[in-house]
Amino acid sequence: AQTVTQSQPEMSVQEAETVTLSCTYDTSENNYYLFWYKQPPSRQMILVIRQEAYKQQNATENRFSVNFQKAAKSFSLKISDSQLGDTAMYFCAFMRGRYQLIWGAGTKLIIKP
Amino acid sequence: GAGVSQSPSNKVTEKGKDVELRCDPISGHTALYWYRQSLGQGLEFLIYFQGNSAPDKSGLPSDRFSAERTGGSVSTLTIQRTQQEDSAVYLCASSLGRGGTETQYFGPGTRLLVL
Repeated sequence: AQTVTQSQPEMSVQEAETVTLSCTYDTSENNYYLFWYKQPPSRQMILVIRQEAYKQQNATENRFSVNFQKAAKSFSLKISDSQLGDTAMYFCAFMRGRYQLIWGAGTKLIIKP
Repeated sequence: GAGVSQSPSNKVTEKGKDVELRCDPISGHTALYWYRQSLGQGLEFLIYFQGNSAPDKSGLPSDRFSAERTGGSVSTLTIQRTQQEDSAVYLCASSLGRGGTETQYFGPGTRLLVL
């Protein structure tokens, strides 16, 4: 069975610093998708970035980038020049099949002014 | 355009009562998903609707949980004879439903508290 593990329950950094959130997963599949979602206090899940396993190039979206290590089954999220608005819960998710997302427990990220 | 909306935003009920949670997907999205998020945990898949196809109910935790989708748009998640362990945030998401792996867009959720 696929599982997703986020080993950091909470992290805190100063504004403008760079922070990396870790995620590991377990699967026997060869082709799959991985996602990072952000959940601010408003509760709404917002897609941050997605990665397709068959693509070796790491996905990047502005200040957000991933370090995808397929052999190690690792999918970390790097946030550069962190901003106060980045404060949120961050969830890593694995797509099983075409639509079923398997989620990690989340990392609470606090950006301090 | 409008995103996924859910109602009510918060719901407090007594143990044993039935509750209905509503989800309005993004216009034009044919795929709809329900998830449950318990305190301090990630999301748990409940059910998936795609167009007129039979829904994937494999994530529903018990027969007290059911969901329907009328007219291929609005969906209602019903929990009968609620228990305290049903307390959680219930999130709905939708996607285009055109096949392949699609990004799911989420609503703000309904926070359910069973006393």
